[in-house]
Amino acid sequence: GAGVSQSPRYKVAKRGQDVALRCDPISGHVSLFWYQQALGQGPEFLTYFQNEAQLDKSGLPSDRFFAERPEGSVSTLKIQRTQQEDSAVYLCASSDRDGVSYEQYFGPGTRLTVT
Amino acid sequence: SQQGEEDPQALSIQEGENATMNCSYKTSINNLQWYRQNSGRGLVHLILIRSNEREKHSGRLRVTLDTSKKSSSLLITASRAADTASYFCATNTGFQKLVFGTGTRLLVSP
Repeated sequence: GAGVSQSPRYKVAKRGQDVALRCDPISGHVSLFWYQQALGQGPEFLTYFQNEAQLDKSGLPSDRFFAERPEGSVSTLKIQRTQQEDSAVYLCASSDRDGVSYEQYFGPGTRLTVT
Repeated sequence: SQQGEEDPQALSIQEGENATMNCSYKTSINNLQWYRQNSGRGLVHLILIRSNEREKHSGRLRVTLDTSKKSSSLLITASRAADTASYFCATNTGFQKLVFGTGTRLLVSP
């Protein structure tokens, strides 16, 4: 079946621009996660949704980062006034349970380059 | 921030050999998971071991967990060129998020 999809796959933004990254989770999956992966590092947690509720946003690095999942399926991660340190791969993952003790299914990621 | 370290950072072996990579973490966990990442297939879940388990097998994979030492190991037996990838351990502390390690880059040469 269809996995997690993300768009765009690549995004180049000039410093100061706003960007929006989209995630389509596996149909029916309750939980949705966003992670940020810097070059050569492991993914780092940004935020978590259970259906449309954002239950944990402790990993968002600044108030320039905002995520939403208004109808409990598709999610958008928005970064305002991008900075060079925002350059990374942004990964979306979904899970069909509440996330605890279950595997997460990852999308291919969006590689963001801020110039 | 990363939960812990993986060792070695990079590993190069020949096809048919076994590959062992280790993961250390810092806090008490609910479970530990191993993921593989390569450019072709992204980040893929391999195996999950719960805190009350000590060893688990899945095909050519064997995972051990020592909660007293806060460490885990992943053994890949009879490696293949297709196993070339980065391998990450990820811990779950009872909250939903995963906390990933720094990863081991495995290169399997034909």
